[in-house]
Amino acid sequence: DVQMTQSPSSVSASVGDRVTITCRASQGISSWLAWYQQKPGKAPKLLIYAASNLQSGVPSRFSGSGSGTLFTLTIDSLQPEDFATYYCQQSNSFPFTFGPGTKVEIK
Amino acid sequence: QVQLQESGPGLVKPSETLSLTCTVSGYSISSGYHWVWIRQPPGKGLEWIGTVDHRDSTYYNPSLVSRVTISVDTSKNQFSLKLNSVTAADTAVYYCARILGGDLLNPFDVWGPGTMVAVSS
Repeated sequence: DVQMTQSPSSVSASVGDRVTITCRASQGISSWLAWYQQKPGKAPKLLIYAASNLQSGVPSRFSGSGSGTLFTLTIDSLQPEDFATYYCQQSNSFPFTFGPGTKVEIK
Repeated sequence: QVQLQESGPGLVKPSETLSLTCTVSGYSISSGYHWVWIRQPPGKGLEWIGTVDHRDSTYYNPSLVSRVTISVDTSKNQFSLKLNSVTAADTAVYYCARILGGDLLNPFDVWGPGTMVAVSS
């Protein structure tokens, strides 16, 4: 299985800050990497697919980059509604696997 | 607008079978796409359970393959999950979702709200 790790596990930030989350894959996954946002009690929401493609309807302050084994999710100018947990997920090979999550908290 | 809704018992006894259904509205399953089940134990991360397409072809997580069955019922526009011999470790919120576009390896773009299933006697 492809193991996904994320750093940091949590980050405290203020409205207006830029936040960067890193996701690493245990083996190369090309660009088969997606990012999700999950708020408490809600289903995850797809933000980014194919490493850098913004899902329809997602604000442009979210961006993704990377390929191979190292990926990043950047949130420019953090908004109050962005405080949530973020997960990366690989779909290069079965079984699809998720990272453990990064919680973005209010400073 | 495609919507998904999970349904099924919220409590299952140990060693019994967990059965859930996902009802799809706003789209005909027989027209295509791939559909998935994912679960999330309380306070933990996400685990992909398996994928099914409109022709009933399936792909399962090897960690669950001996206990899981996912199938499609195009007449009811539903797909279902059966997980047998459950234990407390199967307690989780179970989500159904759709895979983006027509590629099996794409991520999950439409999700149901999730349903909590507890395994307890």
